[in-house]
Amino acid sequence: NAGVTQTPKFQVLKTGQSMTLQCAQDMNHNSMYWYRQDPGMGLRLIYYSASEGTTDKGEVPNGYNVSRLNKREFSLRLESAAPSQTSVYFCASSETSSPGEEQYFGPGTRLTVT
Amino acid sequence: DQQVKQNSPSLSVQEGRISILNCDYTNSMFDYFLWYKKYPAEGPTFLISISSIKDKNEDGRFTVFLNKSAKHLSLHIVPSQPGDSAVYFCAASHNNDMRFGAGTRLTVKP
Repeated sequence: NAGVTQTPKFQVLKTGQSMTLQCAQDMNHNSMYWYRQDPGMGLRLIYYSASEGTTDKGEVPNGYNVSRLNKREFSLRLESAAPSQTSVYFCASSETSSPGEEQYFGPGTRLTVT
Repeated sequence: DQQVKQNSPSLSVQEGRISILNCDYTNSMFDYFLWYKKYPAEGPTFLISISSIKDKNEDGRFTVFLNKSAKHLSLHIVPSQPGDSAVYFCAASHNNDMRFGAGTRLTVKP
């Protein structure tokens, strides 16, 4: 059981470039999430998918798009990267989207936009 | 607006003693509260949670206390162990809105 995996681990982009962060979980969870973590701040929710086929905006969705490809995979796309998107990105999953449900996190992707 | 605040960026305690990590929130709609632990270069891992209808939840060495009137929760670790050294995040949720604090770095000295 790998849990939640994320690729790549590190990425450097130039302003205006695009990229997709990949996330997969092997726990048969219904819900998946994307967060970003910036220095001095907690994790902030970008987008989530309560179940396969649905996606919703979180606290900071601007500049991002997501795709719930199937039950296992949830990708995050930056269409035109900006320096303000330099951050560590975490993907998470949970069995359901019930309030208080434990979320399982991947190891993170460290993204730098120059 | 930071709806969940952890006002102590760091805490250092001696092995075997109690660690108390604090968290304050502003939104009275939050109905579940969680604590996560994070080691460097890893994702956060779930530690313990409490719903707003309770005021205490225990799991082994970890106890979370909730004071709804003060909008305050705390995590007690007794006894503290060197392996507990990590960053601890408090989180509060309502429906699908989960907000995290900025974290407290706990160092447990042998």
